[in-house]
Amino acid sequence: EDKVVQSPLSLVVHEGDTVTLNCSYEVTNFRSLLWYKQEKKAPTFLFMLTSSGIEKKSGRLSSILDKKELFSILNITATQTGDSAIYLCAPSNFGNEKLTFGTGTRLTIIP
Amino acid sequence: NAGVTQTPKFRVLKTGQSMTLLCAQDMNHEYMYWYRQDPGMGLRLIHYSVGEGTTAKGEVPDGYNVSRLKKQNFLLGLESAAPSQTSVYFCASSIDLTSYLSYNEQFFGPGTRLTVL
Repeated sequence: EDKVVQSPLSLVVHEGDTVTLNCSYEVTNFRSLLWYKQEKKAPTFLFMLTSSGIEKKSGRLSSILDKKELFSILNITATQTGDSAIYLCAPSNFGNEKLTFGTGTRLTIIP
Repeated sequence: NAGVTQTPKFRVLKTGQSMTLLCAQDMNHEYMYWYRQDPGMGLRLIHYSVGEGTTAKGEVPDGYNVSRLKKQNFLLGLESAAPSQTSVYFCASSIDLTSYLSYNEQFFGPGTRLTVL
């Protein structure tokens, strides 16, 4: 059975801090890992990672994948209150139409 | 493009009542999914469909049925609602997760908040 564990479950930091969110996974025939941000409503796509060691960046957010150690991290620098959300990771596998979602990390940014 | 839409946005049911949630997408996606999200549980897959006329069970299918009569629509039915089905329901769609060259991002609808009393 595929497993996804995200840590920490919850994180509260001050505006301007840098945070690192973790996602470890065990899936058969791993294909890619996706990160989503969920504010009040639907999850919105952030990154898709397929190769180890190649950082993906979007503004203050960046993410990297380690396929040997089976984990990914999501970094957010110079956090803002708009970064407050639940961050979900979801690995996918070849030959499987589904994503397996972790329980998410709830990030709260204090002004 | 409207993307993925869901109706209704909110609903309150009494135990034993039935209802159907509708998901529609205008992106010509092949695959569609129904998830439920409960506090501390993340997104759990209820049922999914890999094409018109097909459906398959996900992680938590009991108490739900689905139909995909048209490619753009995916219906989720509750035949006899129970309080344990109180949740937020999300529909999602994607192109083709099994194609190596295909981008397998799932696009989500805004959700339906269902309360069963």
